[in-house]
Amino acid sequence: EVQLVQSGAEVKKPGATVKISCKVSGYTFIDYYMHWVQQAPGKGLEWMGLVDPEDGETIYAEKFQGRVTITADTSTDTAYMELSSLRSEDTAVYYCATIPVTTGDYWGQGTLVTVSS
Amino acid sequence: DVVMTQSPLSLPVTLGQPASISCRSSQSLVHSDGNTYLNWFQQRPGQSPRRLIYKVSNRDSGVPDRFSGSGSGTDFTLKISRVEAEDVGLYYCMQGTHWPRTFGQGTKVEIK
Repeated sequence: EVQLVQSGAEVKKPGATVKISCKVSGYTFIDYYMHWVQQAPGKGLEWMGLVDPEDGETIYAEKFQGRVTITADTSTDTAYMELSSLRSEDTAVYYCATIPVTTGDYWGQGTLVTVSS
Repeated sequence: DVVMTQSPLSLPVTLGQPASISCRSSQSLVHSDGNTYLNWFQQRPGQSPRRLIYKVSNRDSGVPDRFSGSGSGTDFTLKISRVEAEDVGLYYCMQGTHWPRTFGQGTKVEIK
C-alpha cells in the first residue's frame, strides 16, 4: 500500500522558517516527482513546486521562488519542503503528492502551518 | 504562467441529475509530445485531493464511470452523469503541460 505520511502541525512566528517532511512507502521513491501544494483556509489549491528524487532537480512556482526549498532524501525515502520568511498569508495546509502522468496519484494527509505572532 | 479558469465556481445540483464543469486555459495544453496533460481532481470536505481524470479523458483507477472528461486545446469539461451524495466537494482542473503547473480556482459542488 502506497502511503505518504507528513509531519505534524506547526505554529510559527512571522519571519521564521518551517520545514515539513513527507515520508513515503509502498513504491520506489525515485520513480515519481514529489509535488508540494498549498491550500490556504477556504481557498483553492496552489502548486508550489516539485523535486525529482532521482537527481534532486527542482522546479518552483515563481510566487514561492526564493523562499521555498524542496529536497529529497533517498536514504530515508523522505521529501521535505522548507518555507522561509513566513508571513500570515502562508497560514495554510501543505500537501505533498505524487501526480504521475498516467498511473494513480497519491497525496499526504496535509500539514497545517499557522503563522501568528 | 498558464491561467486556468473554471466555471461555474458554485454548482448546486439535484441528486441523480447530471453536472458539468468547464475549465479553460490561457494557452493550448497540447504538449510537444502530442499529449494534452489536463487533470481533474476532487477534494471531499476534510480530505486530501485525489485525481479523477488524467490526460483529458482517462479515469484514474477506482473512479466511478459516472465521471467523464472531454475537451481539447484550451477548452475542457468534467461531467458527472448522475450526481450522488458522495460527489459533494471541490473540483479542480490542473494543467500538466507547462511549467509551473497551475490549478483552476475550484468549483464547489453541493446538493440542492
